Amino acid sequence: DTGVSQDPRHKITKRGQNVTFRCDPISEHNRLYWYRQTLGQGPEFLTYFQNEAQLEKSRLLSDRFSAERPKGSFSTLEIQRTEQGDSAMYLCASSENWAGYNEQFFGPGTRLTVL
Amino acid sequence: TQLLEQSPQFLSIQEGENLTVYCNSSSVFSSLQWYRQEPGEGPVLLVTVVTGGEVKKLKRLTFQFGDARKDSSLHITAAQPGDTGLYLCAGALNNNDMRFGAGTRLTVKP
Repeated sequence: DTGVSQDPRHKITKRGQNVTFRCDPISEHNRLYWYRQTLGQGPEFLTYFQNEAQLEKSRLLSDRFSAERPKGSFSTLEIQRTEQGDSAMYLCASSENWAGYNEQFFGPGTRLTVL
Repeated sequence: TQLLEQSPQFLSIQEGENLTVYCNSSSVFSSLQWYRQEPGEGPVLLVTVVTGGEVKKLKRLTFQFGDARKDSSLHITAAQPGDTGLYLCAGALNNNDMRFGAGTRLTVKP
């Protein structure tokens, strides 16, 4: 399977704990995006990378959220000191960087539940 | 308020019926994508439209991009239970800024 993969698929944690999610993009895609989706809403953009450079992070929800893509391949999204309001589906998407339009391909998501 | 408004929010129809769902905005998009999402899964890309007035057909699905590139519609002919899902539109404000609507949840009853 050469699609976008995410791990874990589900995460249950207690309030105040830190969590980290991983995303492996489609191998030839150099752009990687993180989104959050809450019930009844569409995906909400958080941040994106082109190769290892994080080109947009102003829409990360708070300073408790951080993302890395150290070698320009897989990426991690960390949430520190989780709160119940962080419960959501966290989606990763990847795309190619070319002069045309931006078609993003999504992974299956990580469902986070904060107790 | 959402940048992209999708309507209707919910739609329940019988197998074999036709339907149209809408995606509207006051913003101009360089491209617009339609996705279908099933519960517990990520969105799956259906189509990308780029040119104002463009119409694309994928089997029983017809997608149209408005002339001004501010709105789009998705028409499904002879809906089947397998079409059930959340249909999301996403507009690109620029090559990196994608905004999603809240989706239309479609249920097709056998």
